[in-house]
Amino acid sequence: GAVVSQHPSRVICKSGTSVKIECRSLDFQATTMFWYRQFPKQSLMLMATSNEGSKATYEQGVEKDKFLINHASLTLSTLTVTSAHPEDSSFYICSAGRLAGEGTGELFFGEGSRLTVL
Amino acid sequence: KNEVEQSPQNLTAQEGEFITINCSYSVGISALHWLQQHPGGGIVSLFMLSSGKKKHGRLIATINIQEKHSSLHITASHPRDSAVYICAVSRQGAQKLVFGQGTRLTINP
Repeated sequence: GAVVSQHPSRVICKSGTSVKIECRSLDFQATTMFWYRQFPKQSLMLMATSNEGSKATYEQGVEKDKFLINHASLTLSTLTVTSAHPEDSSFYICSAGRLAGEGTGELFFGEGSRLTVL
Repeated sequence: KNEVEQSPQNLTAQEGEFITINCSYSVGISALHWLQQHPGGGIVSLFMLSSGKKKHGRLIATINIQEKHSSLHITASHPRDSAVYICAVSRQGAQKLVFGQGTRLTINP
């Protein structure tokens, strides 16, 4: 079964509403999770690094007030797209590693969440 | 120039053919990952390498640290291998991944 679970897998919302996406590590603790965005036929783009118990680290060009990240426990990180607009429509995916830091351990990815904003 | 370059970008082959996808990188790394993304979008981590060679079923991944190059091989390819294969590296001293642009593989029956 999936070691990292993401929910919902698909969401359609109206412009102006907020959407929350959850990323859970099912059988290990993840002090760090990563959120990516992927446009059609393009590779993944790292949006932010989610750190348990502290503020997320956002990549350049990613609006922290637009994409709120909360990592309240060692098994759950959430991404909230606030006041969504059609240009926010994309595929969002999270990942986590078994050991601290992606470079030191095996990586697991969520199934991804496809957001469509009407 | 991207820090991680993959080739080819697209590859179409017949069932049974031996497949090779290449990845070159230009930074010092602590590990290199090969990922598989199916049309539905879900991503599976195939290999994590820091040296040498790994094999899992029909998949083989190799890395040459001196040449900053890695290859992913698929033996006896099958239509179900059709997917996008992504090379990604973890830079030394950093947690983040840097991704290649992906290779879209199509295996025809």
